[in-house]
Amino acid sequence: AQSVTQLGSHVSVSEGALVLLRCNYSSSVPPYLFWYVQYPNQGLQLLLKYTSAATLVKGINGFEAEFKKSETSFHLTKPSAHMSDAAEYFCAVSDGTNAGKSTFGDGTTLTVKP
Amino acid sequence: GAGVSQSPSNKVTEKGKDVELRCDPISGHTALYWYRQSLGQGLEFLIYFQGNSAPDKSGLPSDRFSAERTGGSVSTLTIQRTQQEDSAVYLCASSLVAGGTDTQYFGPGTRLTVL
Repeated sequence: AQSVTQLGSHVSVSEGALVLLRCNYSSSVPPYLFWYVQYPNQGLQLLLKYTSAATLVKGINGFEAEFKKSETSFHLTKPSAHMSDAAEYFCAVSDGTNAGKSTFGDGTTLTVKP
Repeated sequence: GAGVSQSPSNKVTEKGKDVELRCDPISGHTALYWYRQSLGQGLEFLIYFQGNSAPDKSGLPSDRFSAERTGGSVSTLTIQRTQQEDSAVYLCASSLVAGGTDTQYFGPGTRLTVL
C-alpha cells in the first residue's frame, strides 16, 4: 500500500521568495515519486520525477525536489517564486509494480503575491 | 494531435442518465489511464489500459462505471445511471508504456456535473 500526504492545502509566498511545498509518502517498496503542476483549466503537467537515481531531482521551471528516505519526504522547492508559478501542485507516488498506477496527494494551491 | 485530448470538456446531465467520456491518447502511447478529481481533492485512480486490455480495474467505484479501449487508441469511460456523487473532473493520461517510471501525459479533463 502507498499513500501521499501534502502538508498545507494552501501556501502563499511573495514574488521572489523561496517556494517550499511539502510531501511525505508511505510505501512498502522503494517508491517512484512525482510532482505535477495544474494551471487553471488545464491538465496536469509533470514537473519532475524521482526514479531511484540521484536523490536531488531538477525539473522544469526552476523547480527541484530532494528524496529523503530517512524522512520519507519529497519536498518541492524553488529559490525564487514568479507570479506564473501560481497553480495547484500534486505529489504522487508509484511503486512501479502496478504499471504506473499512481497515488496522488490532495494538492497544494500556491499563491504568489506581488 | 500533439497531446492527450478529451471530450466533451464539460458535461451536465440529470441524475439517472448515462454518460460517455472520450479520451484520445498521444499517438503511439500504449498505456492509458483514467483518474477522477473531485472538488478539493487529489486524483483518484480509476482504471488503466495496456493496449486494449485493462489489467487493473480496481479503482472503478461501482459497477455503474465501465471503460473500454479499441484499436489500442481511443478510450471511452461510461457511467450508467449517474448519481450526484459522480460529479467531478475526469482526467485521462497516456504514457509510452505502462510502467512505474514512465511519464504520464494528462488531458485537460472532462468536467461532469450531475444535477
